[in-house]
Amino acid sequence: EVQLVESGGGLVQPGGSLRLSCAASGFTFGDYKMHWVRQAPGEGLEWLSDINNGGGDTHYADSVKGRFTISRDNAKDLLYLQMRSLRAEETAVYYCARENIFGGMGAFDIWGQGTLVTVSS
Amino acid sequence: QSVLTQPPSASGTPGLRVTISCSGSSSNIGSRHVNWYQQFPGAAPQLLIHSNDQRPSGVPDRFSGSKTGTSASLAISGLQSEDEAEYYCAAWDVSLRTWLFGGGTKLTVL
Repeated sequence: EVQLVESGGGLVQPGGSLRLSCAASGFTFGDYKMHWVRQAPGEGLEWLSDINNGGGDTHYADSVKGRFTISRDNAKDLLYLQMRSLRAEETAVYYCARENIFGGMGAFDIWGQGTLVTVSS
Repeated sequence: QSVLTQPPSASGTPGLRVTISCSGSSSNIGSRHVNWYQQFPGAAPQLLIHSNDQRPSGVPDRFSGSKTGTSASLAISGLQSEDEAEYYCAAWDVSLRTWLFGGGTKLTVL
């Protein structure tokens, strides 16, 4: 079964750090670009970051640039998101997602179940 | 406020047809394809429509997508109670160099 499973969420104080992981299974992880997307309680989806299949090319939303770092370990089928200087308003469910290419166009076809990050003192 | 604009809510009666709009600009919808995602409460989003109007395998043909200029639409025909969900449009923005999501539309089946 094609699956993504996030872990690493929890309670962290404002200004703190946290590393999220996303374990992939059921597909050749190293063939796909991967993304992180978050959703604050009762709010919509916000794209955060992506990393190409080899791990050498990354992009970030302005809201997290300089504070979040995306990385991957293709040997272990793992995607990571290192988050620093967290703010209360970044309390959200964090999803990892796979980008598949359909006729040359990308779409997020597989999503994890999400992991909740709560930033609070 | 999202760069892709969706109505916050939509509703329809079982069996009828409802459409959800998504308005963007020349740097996103106008020059890139649109994807649509369906999200049930407490669950992760799921890909519903990709490449403006293509359904992944397993998605009923009651769901259809279209794009004209800088706007896109999701249509759901033969509305069913299980279609109650939040629907999001998404597109890559060539100027911002980010993926953008619409603010989401909560569909209620009356």
